[in-house]
Amino acid sequence: DSGVTQTPKHLITATGQRVTLRCSPRSGDLSVYWYQQSLDQGLQFLIQYYNGEERAKGNILERFSAQQFPDLHSELNLSSLELGDSALYFCASSVTGNSHEQYFGPGTRLTVT
Amino acid sequence: AQTVTQSQPEMSVQEAETVTLSCTYDTSESDYYLFWYKQPPSRQMILVIRQEAYKQQNATENRFSVNFQKAAKSFSLKISDSQLGDAAMYFCAYRSALNAGNNRKLIWGLGTSLAVNP
Repeated sequence: DSGVTQTPKHLITATGQRVTLRCSPRSGDLSVYWYQQSLDQGLQFLIQYYNGEERAKGNILERFSAQQFPDLHSELNLSSLELGDSALYFCASSVTGNSHEQYFGPGTRLTVT
Repeated sequence: AQTVTQSQPEMSVQEAETVTLSCTYDTSESDYYLFWYKQPPSRQMILVIRQEAYKQQNATENRFSVNFQKAAKSFSLKISDSQLGDAAMYFCAYRSALNAGNNRKLIWGLGTSLAVNP
């Protein structure tokens, strides 16, 4: 157990809908990263937050957004969902925004039908 | 841009034997970190071992060790005395040592699925 929690574990929804994925980092970690793992593209970095502020942005679609709250938990919002958004979404955390080790949560499996 | 390549989509090993998983990467940077992560059927991404590029000594964690060849840009993982619980997808990942912008992200290979035969 890495200490990073993600909810829900599974999510099934229809195209065009909006969902919110939640992540709580390890105790003491200030930085949160979101990754998408799909069958055809492997693991892709989406976005990073550090102590409430966006630090880095990767291949995140405009339909997706994220934020980190004062209690350091983070939410990833996915809207206007498409079939291709079906994937495993991971959250990882690290002590600081520059720490080279990232610890991963169990992931949220999103299925868009 | 940095890339990570794992050329073996699938591997298998007999229980108690040794197996080596390959990883190559491309970068113009001189300082970086390399990682091996394990993803068992539970989907949890577990850090197995890490290597700092500035260290010449190969990292070791119990039955897991790496062969880091900086000039060849190669970073293989050796699993000794393989156990049934080692069966998983293994990912090689790269992180720049630069701490600005997107340099903090992990760049991943596509993974190697390891089966352990009893």
